[in-house]
Amino acid sequence: EDQVTQSPEALRLQEGESSSLNCSYTVSGLRGLFWYRQDPGKGPEFLFTLYSAGEEKEKERLKATLTKKESFLHITAPKPEDSATYLCAVQARLGTYKYIFGTGTRLKVLA
Amino acid sequence: DADVTQTPRNRITKTGKRIMLECSQTKGHDRMYWYRQDPGLGLRLIYYSFDVKDINKGEISDGYSVSRQAQAKFSLSLESAIPNQTALYFCATSDTQGIGELFFGEGSRLTVL
Repeated sequence: EDQVTQSPEALRLQEGESSSLNCSYTVSGLRGLFWYRQDPGKGPEFLFTLYSAGEEKEKERLKATLTKKESFLHITAPKPEDSATYLCAVQARLGTYKYIFGTGTRLKVLA
Repeated sequence: DADVTQTPRNRITKTGKRIMLECSQTKGHDRMYWYRQDPGLGLRLIYYSFDVKDINKGEISDGYSVSRQAQAKFSLSLESAIPNQTALYFCATSDTQGIGELFFGEGSRLTVL
């Protein structure tokens, strides 16, 4: 069964304290892995797409990496405005309508 | 203006009432989706549509129906709302090829008393 598991569920960091969020996945042929940021009461906002193992994408303080079993979202020197829930989703090659979402990691960055 | 617009943003209703959530998009995408988000459960697919004549059930379609009025409009209806349909609902779009990210609306928070 296709599945996405994110860890930790919640993470508190001091401003400037770098860390990583994990997204482990099981899918019958990966078409793409997606990272989103979601602020409270808002819709998920797209961050990155990764398509193959070894691929990396960067945006400001965020860097996403992909292996055959998991993806990491590295946050370097976070700021309070990085506080949000980060969602991971995968799309399988079969059934391209289907995006399987994890339950997210709630990140809180303290000033 | 947002590319994917949902109305209403917030709605409180009573058990048994009929509710419609509306979604319109300016992205020009053919594919549209309705998701439900509950704490601890993540985003779950209710219905999806690949074009005006194509409607498909997702993983949790019971108690819901949809209408694709035009390429840009996709509505979700709760014919007789019940309390466990209290949730945050999101409309999303993706490109015709179905490859790539989903674009989400701001969400509709529904409370059923």
